[in-house]
Amino acid sequence: RKEVEQDPGPFNVPEGATVAFNCTYSNSASQSFFWYRQDCRKEPKLLMSVYSSGNEDGRFTAQLNRASQYISLLIRDSKLSDSATYLCVVNRYPTTSGTYKYIFGTGTRLKVLA
Amino acid sequence: NAGVTQTPKFQVLKTGQSMTLQCAQDMNHNSMYWYRQDPGMGLRLIYYSASEGTTDKGEVPNGYNVSRLNKREFSLRLESAAPSQTSVYFCASSESMGGGYNEQFFGPGTRLTVL
Repeated sequence: RKEVEQDPGPFNVPEGATVAFNCTYSNSASQSFFWYRQDCRKEPKLLMSVYSSGNEDGRFTAQLNRASQYISLLIRDSKLSDSATYLCVVNRYPTTSGTYKYIFGTGTRLKVLA
Repeated sequence: NAGVTQTPKFQVLKTGQSMTLQCAQDMNHNSMYWYRQDPGMGLRLIYYSASEGTTDKGEVPNGYNVSRLNKREFSLRLESAAPSQTSVYFCASSESMGGGYNEQFFGPGTRLTVL
C-alpha cells in the first residue's frame, strides 16, 4: 500500500460543477499537507497548503481530517482552466535519516468539459 | 527572480552514455531535491540535499550521483545511462526540509530518453 493514496481519475465534470478529491495517508507522523497542481508536461506548482482548521482560497477549499488520516480538495464552479492533475503531498518526520520527507501521491486527473 | 532553472530541457542518450543535469535556484533556499516522474508512479525522490554540504539518498538513488556545488546549485549525474532511466526529471528547492509549511518550488523539468 502506498503511503499517500489518491484516486487517479480522470474526473470528467462539466463547467460550473463542484468536484471533490480525497487523499489518504498512512503515516501518523505526517505533519503538514499540501495540494499541488500539475498541468500536462509542466512542473508541479503549489495550489494550497492544508491547515488543521481547513482553509479556503476563492473557489478552492481544503480540509484535513487527522483522525481518519485524509485530506480533501473541493473545487466549486469548475472552469475549463482547472483541467490538470492534482497532487496530494504530505510532509512527515522522522525518516531513517532523521530529516523530514515530502511524500507525493500519484495525482488525480481532472477534466472540465465545455 | 528566475526561481528554479534546469538544463537541458530535453536530452536523448544512448545506453551507456553519461550526462549531468544541472539545477540552480535563486531563492536562497537551503534544501534541494531531484525527482523523477514516470507514468502511474508519481514523483519519486532520487536524492536530496537538506543543506549546503550535505546530500542523501532518496527512494530511487541507484544509477545516479549528485553534487551540491554551492547553496544555489545541485546537479544530478547519470554515469552509465540505461533505458530504465528514461523519465522526466524535476529539480526542486525549499526553504527547509520540513517542520512547517515549506513550499517546494519546481524547475521546468528535463525530458530524458535513453535508447
